[in-house]
Amino acid sequence: KQEVTQIPAALSVPEGENLVLNCSFTDSAIYNLQWFRQDPGKGLTSLLLIQSSQREQTSGRLNASLDKSSGRSTLYIAASQPGDSATYLCAAYSGGGADGLTFGKGTHLIIQP
Amino acid sequence: SAVISQKPSRDICQRGTSLTIQCQVDSQVTMMFWYRQQPGQSLTLIATANQGSEATYESGFVIDKFPISRPNLTFSTLTVSNMSPEDSSIYLCSVEENHHQYFGPGTRLLVL
Repeated sequence: KQEVTQIPAALSVPEGENLVLNCSFTDSAIYNLQWFRQDPGKGLTSLLLIQSSQREQTSGRLNASLDKSSGRSTLYIAASQPGDSATYLCAAYSGGGADGLTFGKGTHLIIQP
Repeated sequence: SAVISQKPSRDICQRGTSLTIQCQVDSQVTMMFWYRQQPGQSLTLIATANQGSEATYESGFVIDKFPISRPNLTFSTLTVSNMSPEDSSIYLCSVEENHHQYFGPGTRLLVL
């Protein structure tokens, strides 16, 4: 059974810093991996999706990488801003038709102004 | 991308009662998923709902406790039955589109 772990559980950094969030998964037979953002009291916003055949995806200040063989993904946030404060969730998808996503517990990020 | 709405957005319920959560999608989708997010925890898949067939439940979740309906390709309901305080969670509906999953805003449930 797939298990997803995210490190660190919480992170607080000053505005402007570059930072890396880590995600690891136990079963490398994934179809894709998604990074989500969750704001308090709101649903999930999809940030980036990396297909199993891809190594990385970029969107604006966000860059996500995937290393299937080692079971790891990272989310890199450049030039962090207070508006980036949220919980970031990593989720693995096995692609097995009726399978949903397996989520990590998330990294709670605070960007200090 | 699919746009998903959920009703109610939040509710406070008494133990022993039941609550039905509605999920509406703006396009026709084959797969709909229901997740639960308990306080301080990540999301856990409850069940997968396909139109015209019985929902498929994950280990630890049963139909008597979480009955699901899927009457058409744009709508689903999840009922939380005979609630207890341990059912206090955020319940989220999700759909798959081109192997992307999109989520509704969630229903925040508090059981007293």
